[in-house]
Amino acid sequence: DAGVTQSPTHLIKTRGQQVTLRCSPKSGHDTVSWYQQALGQGPQFIFQYYEEEERQRGNFPDRFSGHQFPNYSSELNVNALLLGDSALYLCASSLGGALFYEQYFGPGTRLTVT
Amino acid sequence: GDSVTQMEGPVTLSEEAFLTINCTYTATGYPSLFWYVQYPGEGLQLLLKATKADDKGSNKGFEATYRKETTSFHLEKGSVQVSDSAVYFCALSEEGNKLVFGAGTILRVKS
Repeated sequence: DAGVTQSPTHLIKTRGQQVTLRCSPKSGHDTVSWYQQALGQGPQFIFQYYEEEERQRGNFPDRFSGHQFPNYSSELNVNALLLGDSALYLCASSLGGALFYEQYFGPGTRLTVT
Repeated sequence: GDSVTQMEGPVTLSEEAFLTINCTYTATGYPSLFWYVQYPGEGLQLLLKATKADDKGSNKGFEATYRKETTSFHLEKGSVQVSDSAVYFCALSEEGNKLVFGAGTILRVKS
């Protein structure tokens, strides 16, 4: 049973560019959440997708956008990259209907903005 | 808004020592509480959870009790091993399954 997978593993971009990160949820899961983890800090919630719609959003600017596909996989897009966007981006999947869910995390994508 | 505060690290212990990592939270309702662990170069793994007051979560020798009166969820282990060296995150969830994390505590265990 494959767990949560993310691609790419590492990415280097230049300020002002755009980036797309990808996530495939654990088999059977229908909800995908994205988190940003800056170096030495805890993960910060970006947004969550369920049934192809953004269900909840954290305190991140509109430069951060996402998408969920019919197969439940998801993309995170970041436009106009800033140096401060350098971080580990984590994807987590879960079951949308569960009252007390468990989120399973992927290994993350390390984004470096230069 | 909701928040989680955990003790600063790094925490350095000798093998077989007793471990406590303190965690307190602020929430408007009755959150579920979690401890996640992040081993070097890996993603987050759920270590244990508790969903209501006085519940005790346990896994791999680690334990934590949901204390509503003190809004705490301290992580304990009776005898740590070198393989327990990692970063530990306390987290809560209250609304729509969003997780709110603490800043993390680095644990280093020496042999």
